Amino acid sequence: LAKTTQPISMDSYEGQEVNITCSHNNIATNDYITWYQQFPSQGPRFIIQGYKTKVTNEVASLFIPADRKSSTLSLPRVSLSDTAVYYCLVGLPMDSSYKLIFGSGTRLLVRP
Amino acid sequence: KAGVTQTPRYLIKTRGQQVTLSCSPISGHRSVSWYQQTPGQGLQFLFEYFSETQRNKGNFPGRFSGRQFSNSRSEMNVSTLELGDSALYLCASSPSGGPTANEQFFGPGTRLTVL
Repeated sequence: LAKTTQPISMDSYEGQEVNITCSHNNIATNDYITWYQQFPSQGPRFIIQGYKTKVTNEVASLFIPADRKSSTLSLPRVSLSDTAVYYCLVGLPMDSSYKLIFGSGTRLLVRP
Repeated sequence: KAGVTQTPRYLIKTRGQQVTLSCSPISGHRSVSWYQQTPGQGLQFLFEYFSETQRNKGNFPGRFSGRQFSNSRSEMNVSTLELGDSALYLCASSPSGGPTANEQFFGPGTRLTVL
């Protein structure tokens, strides 16, 4: 069964680094792994995307191991405004078809 | 540049009716994807359209359909509504690549309630 696994929730404090991992048992060969952030009553917002190894942008880093069966979103020095739900998005081959899967989401709470 | 717009924002229907939701992508974007979001099932992919053709589809029944026009605007239709179709329906656009190849820009969603 094609699926992804993320922690349901995480707590952190302002200024700390937060790492959220998404595990998936398989991934389509040519697909990227993408992470989105969602605030209540809004559509998801793109954070970062990568294919393998490490990718960094102005807001986050993404670590992808060689087997590409997981990825870790790293948020450096979180602030209160980072309180949101974070989703990974992958494409998983399934039988003779292809399935686009969002993770179940990780609810991050940043405390002062 | 204007973002992705979705109309209507809120909709109330009764079981058995049908509904059409509209999405206008960011200017120049040719790929439009639709998602259903519910508390129980989370975010689920419905389908993706590119250049007026369905390029990829999720695992939803045939009651869910969509189309894309030559200006890249897209509509999705749900026929014979069921209570379980109550959800937030999100539309996302990207320049050309699909959901796993490009950054997607999401609209605010249409909140559908089926009574």
